Amino acid sequence: SQQGEEDPQALSIQEGENATMNCSYKTSINNLQWYRQNSGRGLVHLILIRSNEREKHSGRLRVTLDTSKKSSSLLITASRAADTASYFCATAPTGGGNKLTFGTGTQLKVEL
Amino acid sequence: DVKVTQSSRYLVKRTGEKVFLECVQDMDHENMFWYRQDPGLGLRLIYFSYDVKMKEKGDIPEGYSVSREKKERFSLILESASTNQTSMYLCASSLSGVRNSPLHFGNGTRLTVT
Repeated sequence: SQQGEEDPQALSIQEGENATMNCSYKTSINNLQWYRQNSGRGLVHLILIRSNEREKHSGRLRVTLDTSKKSSSLLITASRAADTASYFCATAPTGGGNKLTFGTGTQLKVEL
Repeated sequence: DVKVTQSSRYLVKRTGEKVFLECVQDMDHENMFWYRQDPGLGLRLIYFSYDVKMKEKGDIPEGYSVSREKKERFSLILESASTNQTSMYLCASSLSGVRNSPLHFGNGTRLTVT
């Protein structure tokens, strides 16, 4: 079953613009993670945010977490063509053992 | 950097064949995982292992088995391949489990069963 659901499914922006992707989940979590996947490749970890954290930054990435709404957002500022990829959120549910459950992803295209 | 290596990028097998997908990690990680990725379904967990010779079923273990004889190697076995197992298979490892550490993925094996 899918725990995280990303929104939108696809996003197309111009280079230099900001990109925002959202993730909603259903059950309580230990942490939420964001990953990037370039076409035909494996996933690369971006940020892990714990349930007691509200915001986290890494370079041009900003992740927020609202556990009351069971939602998270990933903001990429000043996007570049190289940011073109699929982005996935993944949740480690409370009491879920060692299972990380992924959403279906947002496909981001950054055009020159 | 952690390196997770999957032995094949592309694989074509016939229905009924026994298929072995190999994965090796070089960072002494305790935990290893096998996912499959299908369009519109995201990543789904097949099996994971938290120690040598230890394994647990994920969400879709039917038709698969795994082997972990050495810490660095985690194999996925399709006992009798079927066309509905055509998919991208992704191996991953983590240092101390998903509650505390991220997953490091290999580049995937795209398996086609004809």
